[in-house]
Amino acid sequence: GENVEQHPSTLSVQEGDSAVIKCTYSDSASNYFPWYKQELGKRPQLIIDIRSNVGEKKDQRIAVTLNKTAKHFSLHITETQPEDSAVYFCAASRAPGGYNKLIFGAGTRLAVHP
Amino acid sequence: NAGVTQTPKFQVLKTGQSMTLQCAQDMNHNSMYWYRQDPGMGLRLIYYSASEGTTDKGEVPNGYNVSRLNKREFSLRLESAAPSQTSVYFCASSTGPTNTGELFFGEGSRLTVL
Repeated sequence: GENVEQHPSTLSVQEGDSAVIKCTYSDSASNYFPWYKQELGKRPQLIIDIRSNVGEKKDQRIAVTLNKTAKHFSLHITETQPEDSAVYFCAASRAPGGYNKLIFGAGTRLAVHP
Repeated sequence: NAGVTQTPKFQVLKTGQSMTLQCAQDMNHNSMYWYRQDPGMGLRLIYYSASEGTTDKGEVPNGYNVSRLNKREFSLRLESAAPSQTSVYFCASSTGPTNTGELFFGEGSRLTVL
């Protein structure tokens, strides 16, 4: 089955710096790669996703890149702000056919210091 | 719209006791999921229901059973709780079954097994 590895497990940056979180996946048939943000004590929420027919996607200060050959994808946050502090999870699934059975990485705890 | 509602939010059990976590969604979603979240291990899929009338095992199904009661409700049962099942449990739903798309999570249920 699919296995998703996420690095680093913790990341500390100064406000205004960029943050990058990387994930690798094992199933070459996976074609959907979302990122979820979970603030302390809250539920995970989708912040951005990318499908395998796209190499990069941006939404304001966040972007995701995908390298299908190397089977890895990354989350980039620019101009970080204290409210970006949270745990970020990457995930992968194959769909359609695999429904939306997402397999998550272990998470990255991002701390943005003022 | 309440979204995804889980009950109870907190529960303490003794080893060997049984309990059922309830989940309901009001978004007319087809697919529903149960995840568990443990420190350093991300979100692991226990069971999912791609559509009403179907259920299937996820990554960590041992010790759990599920029931898709109707399109709105998906319950998770622990027949004989063990300390290893101490975790935060999240129910989620998505439009599914063949569409990739956002998972909408409930607020979580914190279970402690003594």
